[in-house]
Amino acid sequence: DTGVSQDPRHKITKRGQNVTFRCDPISEHNRLYWYRQTLGQGPEFLTYFQNEAQLEKSRLLSDRFSAERPKGSFSTLEIQRTEQGDSAMYLCASSLDRLAGNEQYFGPGTRLTVT
Amino acid sequence: DAKTTQPPSMDCAEGRAANLPCNHSTISGNEYVYWYRQIHSQGPQYIIHGLKNNETNEMASLIITEDRKSSTLILPHATLRDTAVYYCIVRAPLLGTPLVFGKGTRLSVIA
Repeated sequence: DTGVSQDPRHKITKRGQNVTFRCDPISEHNRLYWYRQTLGQGPEFLTYFQNEAQLEKSRLLSDRFSAERPKGSFSTLEIQRTEQGDSAMYLCASSLDRLAGNEQYFGPGTRLTVT
Repeated sequence: DAKTTQPPSMDCAEGRAANLPCNHSTISGNEYVYWYRQIHSQGPQYIIHGLKNNETNEMASLIITEDRKSSTLILPHATLRDTAVYYCIVRAPLLGTPLVFGKGTRLSVIA
């Protein structure tokens, strides 16, 4: 078990460009979460999936943000028409709902810089 | 909003026990207490969780008061590598609800 992985680890893009991040959860984990973290703040929840179903997406910051988990394994988070305010660390976490505590395990994050 | 209150910062001497407090006076009966930590520029790391009994694992101990309105995370022998921001979170796990992070406690372990 290699843990949660995220790709890329760092992304620098120009304002107005689209970016896509990938998250590979721990194998067999059926829940997958996306969070965003800005400097000096705790992570902020964006959306989550149970298998391939997106159960909560009202916290996505705007309609420029979208996420998919097409086969219930890896997930992608896309930001269209990036703005400087999108600069942040994007974190992915996974969990297994069979565990009593349903604890979430985080990846290393993707740091986005919009210039 | 986070349902917990933590001191913004604490210092601890290397080799001593670090005791990190957390208040969660509005915790519901089905909510657990979780602790995570985040070392600079890394993703949060799960430490421990509990419902009402004290818990211990290889990383830490969690002491929850009988009324469940507060808890303490104990790192028995703090090392420099324990310097991090520690988050206390309450959550009902069976619903798959996301974690709601506050600002946490910045623990500095000093040599």
